[in-house]
Amino acid sequence: EAQVTQNPRYLITVTGKKLTVTCSQNMNHEYMSWYRQDPGLGLRQIYYSMNVEVTDKGDVPEGYKVSRKEKRNFPLILESPSPNQTSLYFCASSDAGSGRRNIQYFGAGTRLSVL
Amino acid sequence: AQKITQTQPGMFVQEKEAVTLDCTYDTSDPSYGLFWYKQPSSGEMIFLIYQGSYDQQNATEGRYSLNFQKARKSANLVISASQLGDSAMYFCAMRDLQGAQKLVFGQGTRLTINP
Repeated sequence: EAQVTQNPRYLITVTGKKLTVTCSQNMNHEYMSWYRQDPGLGLRQIYYSMNVEVTDKGDVPEGYKVSRKEKRNFPLILESPSPNQTSLYFCASSDAGSGRRNIQYFGAGTRLSVL
Repeated sequence: AQKITQTQPGMFVQEKEAVTLDCTYDTSDPSYGLFWYKQPSSGEMIFLIYQGSYDQQNATEGRYSLNFQKARKSANLVISASQLGDSAMYFCAMRDLQGAQKLVFGQGTRLTINP
């Protein structure tokens, strides 16, 4: 089954404790992206990657890191989480090219609470 | 900059009725994609339907259709024969097919289907 898998689904942590949210896709997609969703602000892009070893900042990259060492994986790293990073996080992936190949498929989301 | 506007914060519809969710967009790019996603209370983002800016026909996916009016910059989602399981948040989004390829989301419409 084609899917984007995020782990963990739920995470409660404390300020300053490094954490990683994993994302893996099995569709051989070139493009992967991280979004956060906050009430009243909608979904905003954090980082994206066009392919292995190619990453770039989105709209809200502060406080986050990413890496793309393998095509299927795109982990999101919070080196020193703060309460304002409490949010619902989504990983998404899509093919390159035109038309329906641009459809982004989302993981189930990770609910993060930073105390 | 691209912008998506969804003017209906909430809608209430009787089961089996058709419903139209409004979406207008703004972009100066000639090539773009328009998407609708469904977010049930469980939180995941589910892809529903895609329309390319150069597509001649309106997109359809089962009970979902997209009423694409390019001159008016609108991309309304039509759900025919609504079901109780259609109750969810619905997001309209667009993607620049030439640039950073991020998705820009509207604020969403909360649809409630009444029995």
